[in-house]
Amino acid sequence: GAVVSQHPSRVICKSGTSVKIECRSLDFQATTMFWYRQFPKQSLMLMATSNEGSKATYEQGVEKDKFLINHASLTLSTLTVTSAHPEDSSFYICSAKHRAGTYEQYFGPGTRLTVT
Amino acid sequence: GNSVTQMEGPVTLSEEAFLTINCTYTATGYPSLFWYVQYPGEGLQLLLKATKADDKGSNKGFEATYRKETTSFHLEKGSVQVSDSAVYFCALSDYNQGGKLIFGQGTELSVKP
Repeated sequence: GAVVSQHPSRVICKSGTSVKIECRSLDFQATTMFWYRQFPKQSLMLMATSNEGSKATYEQGVEKDKFLINHASLTLSTLTVTSAHPEDSSFYICSAKHRAGTYEQYFGPGTRLTVT
Repeated sequence: GNSVTQMEGPVTLSEEAFLTINCTYTATGYPSLFWYVQYPGEGLQLLLKATKADDKGSNKGFEATYRKETTSFHLEKGSVQVSDSAVYFCALSDYNQGGKLIFGQGTELSVKP
């Protein structure tokens, strides 16, 4: 149990376009989902915390107008990178907290975004 | 604020060698501590966890003990395998901060046959 999926696993887009990444909890309800960004050979940087039915809480330095997060249901959160540029190329990972659980987060497999 | 510091990698070991990856933390409250593993091109998988002082987390031959007196959570394995090659992340979660995970910088482990 506690499986989190992400779609797509890889995406290449042109500079200036927008890209949507989906994060789904497949077998549990997640009131809270987290979005991370990981640069090559570096740690995960928390971008935002997404709570179902409310606005996301962004970490300091993360542009909320550029990284749009929507958590419309208990099993789905989306991250949209708007007007993407090459510097947005990265590995984006989501995680989800079980509705009935406490601290444990379950991670998706990640999405590799390349902006050309 | 809360933080996690790991020993720098990469760490290169021969198969069946003993592994230690050091992790220390700074926290204002009473955090839960985790080790996650990331295989090449994949997301993170929880390896083990400990939720209070003196707890020992263990899984797949890996162990780590929550040491409050030294604020440490070192990862150990008695005999590593080539398949253990991955990046290992130490992390903490503080309930008072909404359960956000704070990660160390990661330690890359490479095990040679």
